[in-house]
Amino acid sequence: NAGVTQTPKFQVLKTGQSMTLQCAQDMNHNSMYWYRQDPGMGLRLIYYSASEGTTDKGEVPNGYNVSRLNKREFSLRLESAAPSQTSVYFCASSEARGSRGTDTQYFGPGTRLTVL
Amino acid sequence: DQQVKQNSPSLSVQEGRISILNCDYTNSMFDYFLWYKKYPAEGPTFLISISSIKDKNEDGRFTVFLNKSAKHLSLHIVPSQPGDSAVYFCAASGTGSARQLTFGSGTQLTVLP
Repeated sequence: NAGVTQTPKFQVLKTGQSMTLQCAQDMNHNSMYWYRQDPGMGLRLIYYSASEGTTDKGEVPNGYNVSRLNKREFSLRLESAAPSQTSVYFCASSEARGSRGTDTQYFGPGTRLTVL
Repeated sequence: DQQVKQNSPSLSVQEGRISILNCDYTNSMFDYFLWYKKYPAEGPTFLISISSIKDKNEDGRFTVFLNKSAKHLSLHIVPSQPGDSAVYFCAASGTGSARQLTFGSGTQLTVLP
């Protein structure tokens, strides 16, 4: 099992360019998440997908869109990149079934994005 | 407004001694708490968790304590090892269909040999 995989590992964009970050999980998890991590801050939720076919905004959704392509894959798109989106992006997944509040999220290795 | 706070950005401990990492939260609806460890250039890895119905959970060298009345949790690592040097994030979840996690800002633990 690879767990949660993310591509690419690194990316440099110019302001205004677009790109899609890919995420896949092989744990048959229902829920998937996109976070960003900035220096001195914890991880902040951008978007999440509670189950296949649904997506919802997190704490910092502006400038991003997501697609839950199927149960395995959840992509994050930057339509017009801005320097403020320079960050490390992490995808996560969780089983999200059964009793509330006992769910553990498992993270991918991250994508380091720089917007010039 | 930070709902999960880790007030110590860094902590240094001698090898073999106890490491205590602290976390405070403000949202009384949180009912599940987790600690993640993160090495540079890697994703966070799950370490240990605790449900709000418990006040202690132990897994090998790692113990998490929860004080609901004080809205405080702590992670104890005994004995500390150099390989424990990493950033530790506290996270909390509560109501919500996707069990969203709210993270603290992290504490860099350095275990000195």
